[in-house]
Amino acid sequence: AQSVTQPDIHITVSEGASLELRCNYSYGATPYLFWYVQSPGQGLQLLLKYFSGDTLVQGIKGFEAEFKRSQSSFNLRKPSVHWSDAAEYFCAVGAGGANNLFFGTGTRLTVIP
Amino acid sequence: ETGVTQSPTHLIKTRGQQVTLRCSSQSGHNTVSWYQQALGQGPQFIFQYYREEENGRGNFPPRFSGLQFPNYSSELNVNALELDDSALYLCASSLLRTGSYNEQFFGPGTRLTVL
Repeated sequence: AQSVTQPDIHITVSEGASLELRCNYSYGATPYLFWYVQSPGQGLQLLLKYFSGDTLVQGIKGFEAEFKRSQSSFNLRKPSVHWSDAAEYFCAVGAGGANNLFFGTGTRLTVIP
Repeated sequence: ETGVTQSPTHLIKTRGQQVTLRCSSQSGHNTVSWYQQALGQGPQFIFQYYREEENGRGNFPPRFSGLQFPNYSSELNVNALELDDSALYLCASSLLRTGSYNEQFFGPGTRLTVL
């Protein structure tokens, strides 16, 4: 069965510091992996996705993620965090004939000045 | 290009009532998926509609039902509301193409509160 684990419920970083959000997945085949961001009261915005090919993928807003099959991980990184990055971040794996998404429980990012 | 829209934005119902949520898909998309996001949780897949038929369902009881219309818009209906149905309901549209994964675009959601 598919599952996604985001081990960090809440992370606090200083503005300008680097960021890494962890994501581990369980899926029997080659996964389709996603990172979404959700601001308070908003829907989900896609940051980046991995379908195949280069394991380091670039996304919007300066985010990147690296797919590591051996570790079943797809961690999200940003070299320098901005105050506007404060939000909830969700990792998801795409699976099934319906192409539905399985989400992790999310990591809430707080950015302090 | 018009994005995914949902209505209403907020809704308050009482236990036992029925509710209908609406979603207009993004232009050019033929598939709509519905997700339930309880407070503090990630979204959970309810079901997907493609060509006006259900095309996959998550672990939700039959009192959660849906429709898709010829213009690809969709409704989510929930009967006999329970307190635990209180959540943000997200709609996502995509262009389903055989043999590939299809990116889903999310609407802003409908916040349902059941009292």
